[in-house]
Amino acid sequence: SSELTQDPAVSVALGRTVRITCQGDGVRTYYASWYQQKPGQAPVLLIYDKNNRPSGIPDRFSGSTSGNTASLTITGAQAEDEADYYCHSRDSSGDHLLFGGGTKLTVL
Amino acid sequence: QVQLQESGPGLVKPSETLSLTCTVSGGSISSYYWSWIRQPPGKGLEWIGYIYYSGNTNYTPSLKSRVTISVDTSKNQFSLKLTSVTAADTAVFYCARVQSYYDMSGPHEFFDYWGQGILVTVSS
Repeated sequence: SSELTQDPAVSVALGRTVRITCQGDGVRTYYASWYQQKPGQAPVLLIYDKNNRPSGIPDRFSGSTSGNTASLTITGAQAEDEADYYCHSRDSSGDHLLFGGGTKLTVL
Repeated sequence: QVQLQESGPGLVKPSETLSLTCTVSGGSISSYYWSWIRQPPGKGLEWIGYIYYSGNTNYTPSLKSRVTISVDTSKNQFSLKLTSVTAADTAVFYCARVQSYYDMSGPHEFFDYWGQGILVTVSS
């Protein structure tokens, strides 16, 4: 597939663990990266090279990949983690960059 | 700390050309890829294209016929032109730096710095 597929919405209880997935052929070759976007703000890089965090990103955020599926895991979700999450990789041809459709995370 | 700032008109008429500039400060535009990304109101992110500081470009297929991205290394700026716009092109436009390199583990690519975004509305 030339697309990156994400679940549109996911919810998690405060303090629990949640996994957000991103499925696409490009993930087999190109590491996925993950971005958090809060309302009215620009996206922020969360995870790159499968499981690296930029400085300042809490270690409750982690990434992994299996086959054509990349995952973002939040261990011990906090209220401030309520946001939209986007994955990025390439299309199946490897020629073009792609974003997933985004997942809206609600922290209950 | 690298900072990016989008600038340009916030209102463009249908059928005209949308033109935006991204100014990079706190670092050189050289040796990196630079990208434009857009987000229609209430929708997800869409990659538009990128340019290497030397001028090589890559565009998303759906917009390739209408998009031009250029770079001015002397001004530490890169620009976006989108022709023949319609209401469907109304969006927040972001510029971003792309980290892109290969090593023994394969290709690596991610957007590490983003501008704050600029809303461009297409309307008469």
